[in-house]
Amino acid sequence: GAGVSQSPSNKVTEKGKDVELRCDPISGHTALYWYRQSLGQGLEFLIYFQGNSAPDKSGLPSDRFSAERTGGSVSTLTIQRTQQEDSAVYLCASSPRTGDTQYFGPGTRLTVL
Amino acid sequence: AQSVTQPDIHITVSEGASLELRCNYSYGATPYLFWYVQSPGQGLQLLLKYFSGDTLVQGIKGFEAEFKRSQSSFNLRKPSVHWSDAAEYFCAVGDQAGNMLTFGGGTRLMVKP
Repeated sequence: GAGVSQSPSNKVTEKGKDVELRCDPISGHTALYWYRQSLGQGLEFLIYFQGNSAPDKSGLPSDRFSAERTGGSVSTLTIQRTQQEDSAVYLCASSPRTGDTQYFGPGTRLTVL
Repeated sequence: AQSVTQPDIHITVSEGASLELRCNYSYGATPYLFWYVQSPGQGLQLLLKYFSGDTLVQGIKGFEAEFKRSQSSFNLRKPSVHWSDAAEYFCAVGDQAGNMLTFGGGTRLMVKP
């Protein structure tokens, strides 16, 4: 079956612009996760959703970052006023339920100039 | 707080040789443990996981890992490495609620012909 998909695969933006990253989870998966992979910080957890609810937003690096999930499916990660340190690969994962195995998408490579 | 250490940043082995990648974790309770592999430009693919039960876990592509509670380790092994195994390998620990994964820094495997 189809795996987790993410779009765009690559995004180049200028410092100060807003960006939206999209994740389509595996059909039927109720849990969705966002991670960031960067050279300096490795793989960092950002936020997870159970259904449309995000119980814990403390992993988001700053208040410029926000995420939402609608209809228990697609999720969008938004970064406002991007900074160069936001450059990274943003990975999305989904699982049938929280506590189950997480399946990852191919990621979105964000470059902030 | 949970943490994962992968002591080896780079490992080079000859094709056909055996492989062991080290992973040490810190977690207060019984951990959920995972090994993922990432090929260049790709997302993370699950190799194997440990939730409970038999401490020797079999995964895909001929990989196995052994959970040793006394050593807080979950080392990945393969008896005979193939050139296609060249990639970066990540060990991860999940919290009891399964809401997030904490990853190690990764081990980059190179395979000599």
